[in-house]
Amino acid sequence: RKEVEQDPGPFNVPEGATVAFNCTYSNSASQSFFWYRQDCRKEPKLLMSVYSSGNEDGRFTAQLNRASQYISLLIRDSKLSDSATYLCVVNRGGYSTLTFGKGTMLLVSP
Amino acid sequence: GAGVSQSPSNKVTEKGKDVELRCDPISGHTALYWYRQSLGQGLEFLIYFQGNSAPDKSGLPSDRFSAERTGGSVSTLTIQRTQQEDSAVYLCASSLAGTRLDKEGKETQYFGPGTRLLVL
Repeated sequence: RKEVEQDPGPFNVPEGATVAFNCTYSNSASQSFFWYRQDCRKEPKLLMSVYSSGNEDGRFTAQLNRASQYISLLIRDSKLSDSATYLCVVNRGGYSTLTFGKGTMLLVSP
Repeated sequence: GAGVSQSPSNKVTEKGKDVELRCDPISGHTALYWYRQSLGQGLEFLIYFQGNSAPDKSGLPSDRFSAERTGGSVSTLTIQRTQQEDSAVYLCASSLAGTRLDKEGKETQYFGPGTRLLVL
């Protein structure tokens, strides 16, 4: 089992749609979870951390289920500017080194 | 303030040559990480520095790869006798802490723009 697995993409959605990304991780000792965003030929940038109780930032909602080792990201009212690759990221069991999923590409069309 | 910078931004080299990639972290960041991203692949961890020491080198793919960090700041990743499979984007990231995290402890890693390496 891969350390971090994500939905294969790409996801093609119209503007205004709600889209959900799923991610599972294999290391039960992992303690920190993140969603990063990577635009084409650019470096990854932190979108949001994922807290145990779930957290929301505007149109973005992240959820964590430690028992299932599952992370999700929900984007509501998607915009053209949301088009990017979304990376599920997990720390390597208590240390800060990160393990990245391969990413899921999102394409939002007019 | 200035972010993480990397140089060169692009590097084309011939198989068998050595290359050096440089990373300047954000000032004051004690932790520094090297990753690489091959075409169509996710980011792959290479090495982690806390200050000038490297407590985790587990991601270096072979002994042709080495890295050092001096003065707790600049880091250099060296690839000796490059092979075509070394072609990738090499990304550097830095963060403030880099120590063992407590529950809900969060630490943001800031990435540089990367060096695109092509080995012919």
